[in-house]
Amino acid sequence: NAGVTQTPKFQVLKTGQSMTLQCAQDMNHNSMYWYRQDPGMGLRLIYYSASEGTTDKGEVPNGYNVSRLNKREFSLRLESAAPSQTSVYFCASSVVQGGPDTQYFGPGTRLTVL
Amino acid sequence: AQKITQTQPGMFVQEKEAVTLDCTYDTSDPSYGLFWYKQPSSGEMIFLIYQGSYDQQNATEGRYSLNFQKARKSANLVISASQLGDSAMYFCAMREDGSSNTGKLIFGQGTTLQVKP
Repeated sequence: NAGVTQTPKFQVLKTGQSMTLQCAQDMNHNSMYWYRQDPGMGLRLIYYSASEGTTDKGEVPNGYNVSRLNKREFSLRLESAAPSQTSVYFCASSVVQGGPDTQYFGPGTRLTVL
Repeated sequence: AQKITQTQPGMFVQEKEAVTLDCTYDTSDPSYGLFWYKQPSSGEMIFLIYQGSYDQQNATEGRYSLNFQKARKSANLVISASQLGDSAMYFCAMREDGSSNTGKLIFGQGTTLQVKP
């Protein structure tokens, strides 16, 4: 049981390049989330998927797109990377949307855009 | 609008002493959950403790306890008997569980805790 996995762990892009961050969970969770964490700040929600087949914008969606490929996988795409997107990206998943069930986080992807 | 505020950017505590990390929140939803996460220097997010808005008792998990004061909208984390391994960034987060519940978490800015030997 690997939990939440993310690839890659590190990435350096040039301005204007595109890339896709991959996330997969093996806990049969319904909901999945993408966050970004900037230095000295908390996590901010980019996009989320409450269930397979649905996606919605979070607090900071501009410059990103997502795909909920199936129940296990939720990818985040940067179509034209900008230096402002330099950040650590976390994927998370949760089984239910209430009670003590928390979100489980992946290890993060550290992205630098030059 | 929902909001989480952690007003202590950094804290120091002596090993074996207790420390309180502050968190205040704002929401109009009567049903919500409050969470604390630990982020060590390695970067992973580790869930510590949960408090539901309707829970009558303060949550406890080992050396962690949550001082929940609903009327003041505060959910402070208390770490007893601090250990060197407690040195990390700590985040308070809230999830609104009402009719528009989506499972989303709103995070505070975090508090960096350093435990001194």
